[in-house]
Amino acid sequence: DAGVIQSPRHEVTEMGQEVTLRCKPISGHDYLFWYRQTMMRGLELLIYFNNNVPIDDSGMPEDRFSAKMPNASFSTLKIQPSEPRDSAVYFCASSRTSGGASEQYFGPGTRLTVT
Amino acid sequence: QKEVEQDPGPLSVPEGAIVSLNCTYSNSAFQYFMWYRQYSRKGPELLMYTYSSGNKEDGRFTAQVDKSSKYISLFIRDSQPSDSATYLCAMYNSGNTPLVFGKGTRLSVIA
Repeated sequence: DAGVIQSPRHEVTEMGQEVTLRCKPISGHDYLFWYRQTMMRGLELLIYFNNNVPIDDSGMPEDRFSAKMPNASFSTLKIQPSEPRDSAVYFCASSRTSGGASEQYFGPGTRLTVT
Repeated sequence: QKEVEQDPGPLSVPEGAIVSLNCTYSNSAFQYFMWYRQYSRKGPELLMYTYSSGNKEDGRFTAQVDKSSKYISLFIRDSQPSDSATYLCAMYNSGNTPLVFGKGTRLSVIA
């Protein structure tokens, strides 16, 4: 298996622009997670899906952030409009279950810089 | 107080040293405890997994959980330069609640 695939790997954009991050989970995994990692705040859970349905989006910082999972093999995280404070590494992860009983497999991340 | 506290370091040790990495937590309902390792510019990957209290050993790595003190540790024996990474503790209670991660401790093992 290729593992969790994320694109793009790097994104540099100007404040106010729309940013779309993409994720392909491991086949057969029912759970998909979006995280944001910064030096100040560490790894923060933004939202997670079970069988393509959003379960908990309480970590999404603002209405500027939205996430979708139209099918079992694809998810997007969109930021519109982007702001400099959104600069971070965004990780997608997938697992067979949601809790610690099942290992979460992380993608390589998307490094977002908003100028 | 955050649910999971972890000293961010950085921690720098000579090759061959014993390394101790720690996390404290406030939620007594946590039952499952993990350590993830994250190399620079990579995603985290699961290193060790422990249920409830006690020790678990895997090669040079030992994970220890003390639920009475709400304290978990990861020990690395005979540390190697290849162990240089950020180590994140993670934990959860039960059911479908998601993992809660610590901020991570950055470790450098100097040859």
